[in-house]
Amino acid sequence: QTVVTQEPSFSVSPGGTVTLTCGLASASVSTSNYPSWYQKIPGQAPRTLIYSTKFRSSGVPDRFSGSILGNKAALTITGAQADDESDYYCMLYMGTSWVFGGGTKLTVL
Amino acid sequence: QVQLVESGGGVVQPGGSLRLSCAGSGFTFSSYGMHWVRQAPGKGLEWVTFIRYDGNNKYYADSVKGRFTISRDDSKSTLFLQMNSLRPEDTAVYYCAKELVGTSASDSWGQGTLVTVLS
Repeated sequence: QTVVTQEPSFSVSPGGTVTLTCGLASASVSTSNYPSWYQKIPGQAPRTLIYSTKFRSSGVPDRFSGSILGNKAALTITGAQADDESDYYCMLYMGTSWVFGGGTKLTVL
Repeated sequence: QVQLVESGGGVVQPGGSLRLSCAGSGFTFSSYGMHWVRQAPGKGLEWVTFIRYDGNNKYYADSVKGRFTISRDDSKSTLFLQMNSLRPEDTAVYYCAKELVGTSASDSWGQGTLVTVLS
């Protein structure tokens, strides 16, 4: 059973920078896991932010960026805005399955 | 533009069955793999199953393997999820999602359909 780890919660000030991470309990995340990131607001469909580690989905502002930091995938929000307050999920490709992390609840205050 | 519309959700008793549908439009449905993803009340996103564009490969989460079956009818641009032996823990909003080819990600999502399993 693959476990993908994310910070349960994070807080950032408006205009600030925050980095959310996505790890594997027993291995390093690499580009071969094709990390992707999704924003989920209650009552709405997920929104794709980042795919294949670092590529922004159509229409996503450039304040969102993706990378590999050490042994984890990372989502960085630079210049956080109030409407960035949301749940964020990473998803990793594991060869014959896909696994979501538990999600990070981001508060902007 | 790409549109995905799920239907078929509802209330079912434990052990019962339900069939979800996802109608796609605005893209060449037969050229894309498709996922089902769910979110239980108060919980996170969970990947459920994926079918390749040609229908030849299907993958399932361990939690649904042997109970759920994904299929597609490209002539109707429709994706299906047959859910059998339903359990209370299958209660969730079910989303279909179109793959972003070559990326293992999804780039378009439906609005979801709610499945409730309770006695």
